[in-house]
Amino acid sequence: EAQVTQNPRYLITVTGKKLTVTCSQNMNHEYMSWYRQDPGLGLRQIYYSMNVEVTDKGDVPEGYKVSRKEKRNFPLILESPSPNQTSLYFCASSSTGPPSDEQYFGPGTRLTVT
Amino acid sequence: KQEVTQIPAALSVPEGENLVLNCSFTDSAIYNLQWFRQDPGKGLTSLLLIQSSQREQTSGRLNASLDKSSGRSTLYIAASQPGDSATYLCAVEETSYDKVIFGPGTSLSVIP
Repeated sequence: EAQVTQNPRYLITVTGKKLTVTCSQNMNHEYMSWYRQDPGLGLRQIYYSMNVEVTDKGDVPEGYKVSRKEKRNFPLILESPSPNQTSLYFCASSSTGPPSDEQYFGPGTRLTVT
Repeated sequence: KQEVTQIPAALSVPEGENLVLNCSFTDSAIYNLQWFRQDPGKGLTSLLLIQSSQREQTSGRLNASLDKSSGRSTLYIAASQPGDSATYLCAVEETSYDKVIFGPGTSLSVIP
């Protein structure tokens, strides 16, 4: 089954403790992206990757890192999480990325930073 | 800077009604516009993707139109069903920065 998976689905952590949220897709997609969703602010793009070893900042990259060492994986790294990074995070992928391709989303990771 | 808005923010209709959701964007330099559905606690499911050169796309009871020059898209849902209850989001892909900008969503409730 074609899918985008994220782990963990739920995470509660403390300020400053490094964490990684994994994202993996099995569709051989080139384009992958991370979003965060917050009440009243909607979905905002954090980082995206057009292909292996190619990453770029989205609208809200501060406090996040990503890497794309393999085509299927695109982990999101929070080196020193802060409470304002409490959010719902989504990973997405598409075959060729912009332009003109449908994005597939993972189930989401709900992160709480205390 | 591209801004995407959706009206109304919330909508409640009786089952069987036809309805229209609206999406507006400020910069017409887009590759495409995509409509998504999000169920509570779940991820996003793609409904329809309209390329910048297209005027509309249809899938089952759904029809999405795009008017790039006026910065508008509509999602038409025919004969609504309780299972259509969800939040509907539109998103545009910018040509300038390869970014995707989402609207805030319309929360739809279809009453049996």
